[in-house]
Amino acid sequence: SQTIHQWPATLVQPVGSPLSLECTVEGTSNPNLYWYRQAAGRGLQLLFYSVGIGQISSEVPQNLSASRPQDRQFILSSKKLLLSDSGFYLCAWNRGAPLEAFFGQGTRLTVV
Amino acid sequence: AQSVAQPEDQVNVAEGNPLTVKCTYSVSGNPYLFWYVQYPNRGLQFLLKYITGDNLVKGSYGFEAEFNKSQTSFHLKKPSALVSDSALYFCAVRDMNNQNFVFGPGTRLSVLP
Repeated sequence: SQTIHQWPATLVQPVGSPLSLECTVEGTSNPNLYWYRQAAGRGLQLLFYSVGIGQISSEVPQNLSASRPQDRQFILSSKKLLLSDSGFYLCAWNRGAPLEAFFGQGTRLTVV
Repeated sequence: AQSVAQPEDQVNVAEGNPLTVKCTYSVSGNPYLFWYVQYPNRGLQFLLKYITGDNLVKGSYGFEAEFNKSQTSFHLKKPSALVSDSALYFCAVRDMNNQNFVFGPGTRLSVLP
């Protein structure tokens, strides 16, 4: 069966420090991968998605970047964190079938 | 462009009563519709989906949803609510042009004992 791992679960970082959040998927190949941010426990904002290795689409211009160095690995990064980067970050994957997306457990990022 | 609306920020219901969480959508082409549930500080869990076929879709934990094409709605329902159903619920539509999912803003369900 397929599983998605996302870490760390929580992270407190100072303003101006770098960020690296990692997401890996097991049990499937060539998944579509997504990074979402959720602010204040409400709506989801799509940040990046990837349909293959090295293929990244950005939905919202901001202080973050994403990379997909391997088929089932998706990394969210920042060179210098801002206070406004605080939030709950969710990784997700899906394929053509099944059509639904499956989410990781999320990372709570607090920038101080 | 695809869009999803969840007109209620909050829904309160007494335990044992039926619940409905509303969702309307706007898509070009055939809609692929989904419901997810989120518990505090957790990822989203898939509940059910409508792709094609019967308008009444059954999912996990006793939830079901009714697809209504003329009203462009996909309301989530459960005949008898449990306190443990209290959570944040998201409706979503999949954009088959770019593989993305468009989520509604979420509805917080509180089931009162």
